[in-house]
Amino acid sequence: GQQLNQSPQSMFIQEGEDVSMNCTSSSIFNTWLWYKQDPGEGPVLLIALYKAGELTSNGRLTAQFGITRKDSFLNISASIPSDVGIYFCGQNSGGSNYKLTFGKGTLLTVNP
Amino acid sequence: DTEVTQTPKHLVMGMTNKKSLKCEQHMGHRAMYWYKQKAKKPPELMFVYSYEKLSINESVPSRFSPECPNSSLLNLHLHALQPEDSALYLCASSKGTSRYNEQFFGPGTRLTVL
Repeated sequence: GQQLNQSPQSMFIQEGEDVSMNCTSSSIFNTWLWYKQDPGEGPVLLIALYKAGELTSNGRLTAQFGITRKDSFLNISASIPSDVGIYFCGQNSGGSNYKLTFGKGTLLTVNP
Repeated sequence: DTEVTQTPKHLVMGMTNKKSLKCEQHMGHRAMYWYKQKAKKPPELMFVYSYEKLSINESVPSRFSPECPNSSLLNLHLHALQPEDSALYLCASSKGTSRYNEQFFGPGTRLTVL
């Protein structure tokens, strides 16, 4: 099955710092997704990427679809306490063999 | 309304009990999903319903029985569960199963099997 290698596993940062996390795979994909999960909640889609090389922003978040189609990164600028949570990269194959697969997640802690 | 609701929020059951989890959405979505999430792990897909028909079963044990009575409702019937089935059960829905269709997740049901 699809294997998504997400790093780092956890990060402890000070408020105001920038954060970067990434996902890699040995397979080529057509979609990269980035989700955030708060405690006691379901994951929420932050950014969806559909083309190699695509760079997309959502407020302080920026994500890129690697040109090899085997990797993606998510950057968060000027972190704030509410950025705390688990960030997952994901793959959505779509179609009749539909499957949404997540990376292992990055736990982000922001110290005020 | 972009909300997926799940009830109950918490459930404790014995290994001989029968219980059901309920999921509801009113976004007109025609695809609905069940995921299982263990602590500190990512969600894992269990079932996919497309137009009220089961389209994917990820080799889930028969003690988990999904049901989609209509396009807005998704149930997960539980019977003779094991302690290792304790987890957060997430429901999600999307307009369709295209890779361009965003999945909206509910808050989950925290299940404990004693």
